[in-house]
Amino acid sequence: QQKVQQSPESLIVPEGAMTSLNCTFSDSASQYFAWYRQHSGKAPKALMSIFSNGEKEEGRFTIHLNKASLHFSLHIRDSQPSDSALYLCAVLSGGNYKPTFGKGTSLVVHP
Amino acid sequence: GALVYQYPRRTICKSGTSMRMECQAVGFQATSVAWYRQSPQKTFELIALSTVNSAIKYEQNFTQEKFPISHPNLSFSSMTVLNAYLEDRGLYLCGAREGHQNTLYFGAGTRLSVL
Repeated sequence: QQKVQQSPESLIVPEGAMTSLNCTFSDSASQYFAWYRQHSGKAPKALMSIFSNGEKEEGRFTIHLNKASLHFSLHIRDSQPSDSALYLCAVLSGGNYKPTFGKGTSLVVHP
Repeated sequence: GALVYQYPRRTICKSGTSMRMECQAVGFQATSVAWYRQSPQKTFELIALSTVNSAIKYEQNFTQEKFPISHPNLSFSSMTVLNAYLEDRGLYLCGAREGHQNTLYFGAGTRLSVL
């Protein structure tokens, strides 16, 4: 059964800092890797996703995937207070569609 | 854009009673709906995955007898928590996807408190 773990559990960074969030998974056949962001009291919303090894950049956000090490990460450049939220990583295994989420990393960016 | 409305947003029920929550997809066809529970301990557990015109697949530790789900069409799904007890507290989220897309569109959740 797929196990998805996130670290750190919580993070406080100053405005303008680089933030790095980590996610590990257990199923080496996993095929789709995504980050969701959930602001307090709101619905989780898909942020970025990646299928193959390497990096993908969208604005201030970069996702990095290393399937061999069963790890992917999200990096936020020039972190803003509006980035404060719960960040959830999601992994899809091969075969049947079954998204497995981590517990989340709570990020606070203080001005 | 794709939106999912989930209601009620909050509900309080007495121990041993049941409550029902509903999700409405707007702007896309909710071919599959995944129901999750985000607990006070911060776990994000998949309860079941429902696909229109297919059997509902429940995860280990979750059963149809406890969490019956209805997914009658491409815009609506509901789940009931039967005989709710303290361990059922949490934020219940529905996430819907269209066709074979991977992205889930989530509702804002139904927060269940049990007295």
